Formats: sequence, structure tokens, C-alpha cells
Amino acid sequence: EAQVTQNPRYLITVTGKKLTVTCSQNMNHEYMSWYRQDPGLGLRQIYYSMNVEVTDKGDVPEGYKVSRKEKRNFPLILESPSPNQTSLYFCASSLSQGPLNEKLFFGSGTQLSVL
Amino acid sequence: QKEVEQDPGPLSVPEGAIVSLNCTYSNSAFQYFMWYRQYSRKGPELLMYTYSSGNKEDGRFTAQVDKSSKYISLFIRDSQPSDSATYLCAMSAGNTPLVFGKGTRLSVIA
Repeated sequence: EAQVTQNPRYLITVTGKKLTVTCSQNMNHEYMSWYRQDPGLGLRQIYYSMNVEVTDKGDVPEGYKVSRKEKRNFPLILESPSPNQTSLYFCASSLSQGPLNEKLFFGSGTQLSVL
Repeated sequence: QKEVEQDPGPLSVPEGAIVSLNCTYSNSAFQYFMWYRQYSRKGPELLMYTYSSGNKEDGRFTAQVDKSSKYISLFIRDSQPSDSATYLCAMSAGNTPLVFGKGTRLSVIA
């Protein structure tokens, strides 16, 4: 089954404790992206990757890191989480970023709480 | 002015009603327009995809784009309780990241 898999689904942590949210897709997609979704603010893009070893900042990259060492994986790293990073996070992928491939497939989300 | 504006609702309608959801935008370079549906505790899923101006129909759903007015709409006919979700518009100039609206929460009451 074609899917984007995020783990964990729920995460509670404390300020400053490094964490990684994993994302994996099995569709051989080139393009992958991370979003956060907050009430009243909608979906905001954190980072995206056009292909292996190619990443770029989105609208709200501060406090986050990503890497794309393999095509299927795109982990999101919070080196020193803070309470303002409490949010619902989504990973998404598409065949490529282009006019005929805008169909984004989203994971089920990771609800992160930073205390 | 925000790049994409979408009324957050919530919108509550009786079963069988025609629903109209709308977004306005300011970037005249946008050419690709999408509607995503997001059920509670799930990721968004693509519902409709339209290029440039015009209408596109898929079952009970119709997407309209009016580039001259920078206005897009999603119509749902014969709405069902299973249509209860948040609907997000999204748009792109092509080869640029999607810009999402904030979403409209819809409840269809049986």
C-alpha cells in the first residue's frame, strides 16, 4: 500500500531534550516536505527536499533540522525543543515538485507536546 | 494581505444541502489550484486539482477557478455526514511549494 509513515504518532517531551520524528515513503517520490499545523495558523511548511541531499527552508525553519540521505526517508530533528514547537506535524511527499505532480501524500501526523 | 485567505468557519449545514467553500488569493502567478480534505486526526488528502481557470467536476464535488477575480470555490452537492471535515485550499505557481489556506471546518448534520 502506497503510504507516508510517520513515527511516533504522539510524543511528549521536555524542553531541551533532542528528538527526531521519522518519515518514510514507499512511492519512490523525489519531493518530501515537513509541515506544522496550528489552530488559526493552518499548515506551514518547515523544510522541504527536492531529492537526496537537496533540502531547503520553508516558511518556519527556525529550531528544526532535516536530512535526506536516502530517497525514502526524511527525518525531522529538533535539537533543543521549546514549548512553542508544540504542534501537529505532518510529513508529505509527491512524485516531484512540478505542475503535474502537485499531489501531495500526507502522513497521519505526529502530535508533539513540549513541556 | 495574506497570500491565501480562507474563512475558517465552522460551517454547519443539514444533510443534503449544497455547500460552497471559498478562497481568495493575491498572487497572480498561481496557476495550479487544489482542494484537500482533512478528517479529524488524519493527514490532508487531495480532493480536487484544477489548472488555470474553469470548472472541474468529480461526482458531487465541483471546483471552480476565477483567475480574474483571484477566487476559487469548491461546491459539494447533496452533502453527507461523511463530508464533515476540514477543507483546505492550496495553490502554486508551478515548481514552487504549495501555499495552503487555513482551512474551513465543515459539519454536515444528519
